[in-house]
Formats: sequence, C-alpha cells, structure tokens
Amino acid sequence: DGGITQSPKYLFRKEGQNVTLSCEQNLNHDAMYWYRQDPGQGLRLIYYSQIVNDFQKGDIAEGYSVSREKKESFPLTVTSAQKNPTAFYLCASRRGQGAYNEQFFGPGTRLTVL
Amino acid sequence: QKEVEQNSGPLSVPEGAIASLNCTYSDRGSQSFFWYRQYSGKSPELIMFIYSNGDKEDGRFTAQLNKASQYVSLLIRDSQPSDSATYLCAVNSGDDYKLSFGAGTTVTVRA
Repeated sequence: DGGITQSPKYLFRKEGQNVTLSCEQNLNHDAMYWYRQDPGQGLRLIYYSQIVNDFQKGDIAEGYSVSREKKESFPLTVTSAQKNPTAFYLCASRRGQGAYNEQFFGPGTRLTVL
Repeated sequence: QKEVEQNSGPLSVPEGAIASLNCTYSDRGSQSFFWYRQYSGKSPELIMFIYSNGDKEDGRFTAQLNKASQYVSLLIRDSQPSDSATYLCAVNSGDDYKLSFGAGTTVTVRA
C-alpha cells in the first residue's frame, strides 16, 4: 500500500518543549513538503526538500527545523522558538522535478500547545 | 509572495445544482493549477489539475483555466451532499515548483 504516513495524529506540547513530527512516504517521490494550516486559512509552506540532504525554507520557517537524510523521510521539529505552534501540520510529497507534478498529502498531525 | 484568491464562502447549493468556485492568481508565470477537496478535520485530496487554457472535465467536475485573465474555476455538476467540503485552489509559483494555496471556499450541499 503506497502512501504518506504522518505520526502522531494528535500531539500535545507544553510551552518550552521541542517536538518532532514524523512524515514517511513509500511512493519513491523526490520532493517533500511541510505545511501549516490554521482554522479558516489556506496552507502555508514551512520547509521543502527537492532531494536528499537538501532543503529550503518556505514562507514561515522561523521556529521550525527539518532534516532529509533519507528519501522516504522528512521529519519536522517544532522548536520552543515557535511562539504560536498550535495548528494542523500537513506533509506532502511530489513525484519528479517538473511543474506539472501534483502534490499528495499525508493525513496530518494536529498539534496543540497546553 | 505569490497570491491566490478564492471567492469567499460559504457557498450553499441545493442537491443537484451546479456549484461554481472561482480562483484568481497574481503570478502571470504560473504554469499549473490544482483543486483540492478537504473534508472537515482531514487532509486535502487532489481532485483536478489543469495546465492549458480551456476546460477539463472529469466526471462531475470541470476545471476552467484562462491564463490571460489569471483565473481558474471549478464547476461541480449535480452536486451531492458528499461534495460538502472546503475546496482549495493551488497554483504553481514557478519557483522551485512550490504551490501557493488560496484560503479555500466551503461548499455546503443541502438535501
């Protein structure tokens, strides 16, 4: 069964803690993305990676970090520097390098700061 | 930052009617356009993509693209209660093939 998995589904964080969200894909896709979605808003790009060992900041990278050590995996760390981390986090992947390849999404992780 | 604007909702349509969703974008160099459906509490699901001017039909869905007017739309024919969701318009920004998303239009199909 090919697809994108994210874990955990729900995550609660205390203020001052770092937390890591997992994203794994077995689609053999080259590019992977992290988005954040707040209620009533569209998706905002946090980080993206076109190839292994390379990643780029998106529009709202402050307070987040990523790594891309394997093609299948693109974990996102939400650091204590992120002042308002409560949101729905979505990981996506895309086959190939061209503009005409669509992105597919994982099921998401809902993060709540206590 | 590339902007993508969608008509504000919510959009309420009776069952069997046509739902019309609109999206405009600011980057004239955009090459590819996508419509995602997002049910409440779930992740977005790709339903249509379009690259060339004109219409593209897939079942009850029709995407329309007009690059000169920087406008893309989605028509849902014979709307069903299962079509009730938020529809996100996404546009390739042409820069590292990132997507810019609109805020979404929520559609409610009333029986």
